[in-house]
Amino acid sequence: QVQLVQSGAEVKKPGASVKVSCKASGYTFSSYGISWVRQAPGQGLEWMAWINTYDGTTKYAQRIQDRVALTTDTSSTTAYMELRSLISDDTAVYYCARVIVPGDIGGSWLDTWGQGTLVTVSS
Amino acid sequence: DIQMTQSPSSLSASVGDRVTITCRASQSISRYLNWYQQKPGKAPKLLIYAASSLQSGVPSRFSGSGSGTDFTLTISSLQPEDFATYYCQQSYSTLMYTFGQGTKLEIK
Repeated sequence: QVQLVQSGAEVKKPGASVKVSCKASGYTFSSYGISWVRQAPGQGLEWMAWINTYDGTTKYAQRIQDRVALTTDTSSTTAYMELRSLISDDTAVYYCARVIVPGDIGGSWLDTWGQGTLVTVSS
Repeated sequence: DIQMTQSPSSLSASVGDRVTITCRASQSISRYLNWYQQKPGKAPKLLIYAASSLQSGVPSRFSGSGSGTDFTLTISSLQPEDFATYYCQQSYSTLMYTFGQGTKLEIK
């Protein structure tokens, strides 16, 4: 079955970086993009970024584009999200999700999600 | 940026009730609107895509409608497992999404 499994919880100090992994299985990795979404404690969902797993093209949310980088390793079918210069407001659960882009009706959606990775930024 | 506004922010209802949640976009997004359900401590789950298409495996008591700027998610007869938070999400901005703030559905 289609599955995304993320790396474990992280605790980081302000100013540090964090790299979260998302291992895909059950489908052809390079045929679907991966989006990253985060959720601060008690808050809603915030879209962060997207990567085309075939050619590495990326899109980033404007408010974090200077601090985030997405990469993939197709040999291990794993996507990575690195967030730099961490601040307390980056404390959140980070999700990866598979992106479905139909060729006919337009739009796109997130059909499979990882279990989430809690990143805590604290001094 | 396209803003998404859900109403209400919270809702109390009973098992068996018919419930409607509304999502409004700040500009026309055609039918590029998706709905997700999230339970505490869990990842979101896709319910409805492209405004009205039911994701595989989702019960038929869930339905979506709308186009342009106004959309609704309807649960025809609430079941105990439906108490959760629901989010709408626009995909008009190609691969750069915006979510609504969420609607928490609680047991009355």
